[in-house]
Amino acid sequence: NAGVMQNPRHLVRRRGQEARLRCSPMKGHSHVYWYRQLPEEGLKFMVYLQKENIIDESGMPKERFSAEFPKEGPSILRIQQVVRGDSAAYFCASSGGTRGPNQYFGAGTRLSVL
Amino acid sequence: KQEVTQIPAALSVPEGENLVLNCSFTDSAIYNLQWFRQDPGKGLTSLLLIQSSQREQTSGRLNASLDKSSGRSTLYIAASQPGDSATYLCAVWRETSGSRLTFGEGTQLTVNP
Repeated sequence: NAGVMQNPRHLVRRRGQEARLRCSPMKGHSHVYWYRQLPEEGLKFMVYLQKENIIDESGMPKERFSAEFPKEGPSILRIQQVVRGDSAAYFCASSGGTRGPNQYFGAGTRLSVL
Repeated sequence: KQEVTQIPAALSVPEGENLVLNCSFTDSAIYNLQWFRQDPGKGLTSLLLIQSSQREQTSGRLNASLDKSSGRSTLYIAASQPGDSATYLCAVWRETSGSRLTFGEGTQLTVNP
């Protein structure tokens, strides 16, 4: 039973490029959460999605960031025109219900912007 | 707005010592509180989950307590080992209209052999 799978594990982009981060939730989970961990900081919530729906995106930066969780395939966090301040670890979590307990985390994608 | 604070930010202890990590949160209306472990370059591992109606949870050498009314939780690690070296994160789930965990910034623990 595979856990939450994130890829790539490491991603290097130059300023102005696009970054696409993928997250496959645990089998049977239909709720996905994205968190960002900036250097020397705690994890900050970004967005909560269910299949084909964005439920809460209150933690997403207003520009350049978008997320989706299509009916088929992984959830995608997309960052357009990356800047150095986007360098961080991005974690995905999944759960089988809405109420937080038993959110399972992936190993994260570490984005470095040159 | 919920804020979670962890003290100390870093802690270094000799092997075998018992230790306590502290977590405080500003809004006592929480659904549950969770302690995680994060190893460098790795994801998060859930250690203990305490429901708001519970006072403590135990797993092996770990014991977590929760005082919801005062907005505090502690993680007690008994007989620490070098393998316990990691960052420990506290996170809370809000009682109402919640859709996310709110994390503290973590305590970086080093256990020296």
